[in-house]
Amino acid sequence: EAGVAQSPRYKIIEKRQSVAFWCNPISGHATLYWYQQILGQGPKLLIQFQNNGVVDDSQLPKDRFSAERLKGVDSTLKIQPAKLEDSAVYLCASTLGLADTQYFGPGTRLTVL
Amino acid sequence: AQSVTQLDSQVPVFEEAPVELRCNYSSSVSVYLFWYVQYPNQGLQLLLKYLSGSTLVKGINGFEAEFNKSQTSFHLRKPSVHISDTEEYFCAVSVGPGRRALTFGSGTRLQVQP
Repeated sequence: EAGVAQSPRYKIIEKRQSVAFWCNPISGHATLYWYQQILGQGPKLLIQFQNNGVVDDSQLPKDRFSAERLKGVDSTLKIQPAKLEDSAVYLCASTLGLADTQYFGPGTRLTVL
Repeated sequence: AQSVTQLDSQVPVFEEAPVELRCNYSSSVSVYLFWYVQYPNQGLQLLLKYLSGSTLVKGINGFEAEFNKSQTSFHLRKPSVHISDTEEYFCAVSVGPGRRALTFGSGTRLQVQP
């Protein structure tokens, strides 16, 4: 069974630029999460989707971050414009149902200069 | 809101010795508890989880954890560690129906020395 795929794996940008990350969950998984992991910290939830609807985006900085999950499969997370403090690893996870184990992708490491 | 505290940022231990990684949580409702391991440049892999039932949970790679409701703890243990267990370990909690997003602790680096 293929795991959660993410791309790109690494990205370096200047502050105030825009960036987008892509996630392809495990086939059939209805729930998708985006987490932000700053160096030395545990992951923090940014947004949770159930199919193509948003369940929880209370911790998403909506002035600069946006996410979508068209057709309830792939998802894209965008930052526009980026700040230095956005440097982190962005992790995508998916589950078959709400009560199931979350499977994580390898993450995208973002460096904002 | 729930929170997770991992009391030790680093735990050094000699190979073949036992180890315990501590995790405490706070929540006003029933919780589900998890331990994940993070490999370099990879995502998180589930070691074990407590949803209900027996408070002693066995996971992969010889790890186990015990849920203690009165002490709000979920400590991870291994009776004999190997060099290959040197990684970052995260405790996490999820609460409530409908929203299973995880709240993570800050992580504990297990350093196994020969």
